Amino acid sequence: EAGVTQSPTHLIKTRGQQATLRCSPISGHTSVYWYQQALGLGLQFLLWYDEGEERNRGNFPPRFSGRQFPNYSSELNVNALELEDSALYLCASSLGISRPQHFGDGTRLSIL
Amino acid sequence: AQTVTQSQPEMSVQEAETVTLSCTYDTSENNYYLFWYKQPPSRQMILVIRQEAYKQQNATENRFSVNFQKAAKSFSLKISDSQLGDTAMYFCAFQNSGGYQKVTFGTGTKLQVIP
Repeated sequence: EAGVTQSPTHLIKTRGQQATLRCSPISGHTSVYWYQQALGLGLQFLLWYDEGEERNRGNFPPRFSGRQFPNYSSELNVNALELEDSALYLCASSLGISRPQHFGDGTRLSIL
Repeated sequence: AQTVTQSQPEMSVQEAETVTLSCTYDTSENNYYLFWYKQPPSRQMILVIRQEAYKQQNATENRFSVNFQKAAKSFSLKISDSQLGDTAMYFCAFQNSGGYQKVTFGTGTKLQVIP
């Protein structure tokens, strides 16, 4: 079974630009989660999507947004990039509520 | 709000020895889930073990076991017969059982297994 896949592996942007990160969940998983792993800060919950709807959101500004498509894949969009947005962005998927989350390899976003 | 605390930023253990990573959490909920995830240098997060709060029996997965003390809100991970491949960051995580689905992670413990 294919795991959670994320693209791109590495993304380099400059301040003020917009970034789009993509995630494909494990087949059959309907929930997708996004996390930010900044250096020294551990994992911070960003967003949870289930069945195409945003179900919960972490303490991030509105310039962090996303969506889930009918095939359950997901995009994370970050607008007006700032230097502190540099981090590893991890996507996870699960079968449903309270089921274990399975993580992708992440996208390393670097802001110059 | 839930919080998860891992008080050991770094630890090391000799190969084949046993090591225990500590984790405490704070919640007002009665039903929840606790996890230990492993993140090796390859950076993929891997689920190591899962504990349901309503189960008194400690979860085990081969060389990995937990000591779950619900009253003390403690959830430590014991790794027996440590192997070089166990070298990684270990994250303790809390997930409520309701519909909110937010997982709160600790800051991680960097474990180095020494040959």
